[in-house]
Amino acid sequence: AQSVAQPEDQVNVAEGNPLTVKCTYSVSGNPYLFWYVQYPNRGLQFLLKYITGDNLVKGSYGFEAEFNKSQTSFHLKKPSALVSDSALYFCAVRRSTDSWGKLQFGAGTQVVVTP
Amino acid sequence: KAGVTQTPRYLIKTRGQQVTLSCSPISGHRSVSWYQQTPGQGLQFLFEYFSETQRNKGNFPGRFSGRQFSNSRSEMNVSTLELGDSALYLCASSLAPQGDGYTFGSGTRLTVV
Repeated sequence: AQSVAQPEDQVNVAEGNPLTVKCTYSVSGNPYLFWYVQYPNRGLQFLLKYITGDNLVKGSYGFEAEFNKSQTSFHLKKPSALVSDSALYFCAVRRSTDSWGKLQFGAGTQVVVTP
Repeated sequence: KAGVTQTPRYLIKTRGQQVTLSCSPISGHRSVSWYQQTPGQGLQFLFEYFSETQRNKGNFPGRFSGRQFSNSRSEMNVSTLELGDSALYLCASSLAPQGDGYTFGSGTRLTVV
């Protein structure tokens, strides 16, 4: 079975400072990894994904994430946070060998960016 | 290109009633998945459909069911509603089940009173 851990319920950062949201995963075989963001009363918006290839993945809105196989981590980063980045962030994983695409989500991390 | 459309956006139902939620995937997407989101349990997988067949199912009671039509649109049904069924129900579509991209709709907020 696969699982995802987001160890921080909330991350607080000042606008302009670097933002990091942590994610570790457990899956047998090779993972497909995803980050999604959710604004209040909205669905999930796709930020980026790791399927294969370069361990550093660049996504939407200036976000990037680094796949670290040895540490089974996929932390989300942004060099300079904006107030508008305040939202709920979810990391998700699925096995690359699965025939059907069930995503296992982490519990989510609330990001609060203060002016 | 239109996104994933879920209707209705909000629903209020009484315990014991049943409800049907609808999801129209992105044009060309043939796989539709459903997730339930609650504050306590987070995001939980309900089921996935591809080519009108349920391919994968999460750990939910039989009161939760779904189907997919030939145009890839999907519906999910919850019968004999319980208070605990109050949640945001999210639909996601992708080109294929093994697809590496999932696009989510804005969800249907179901409140059971």
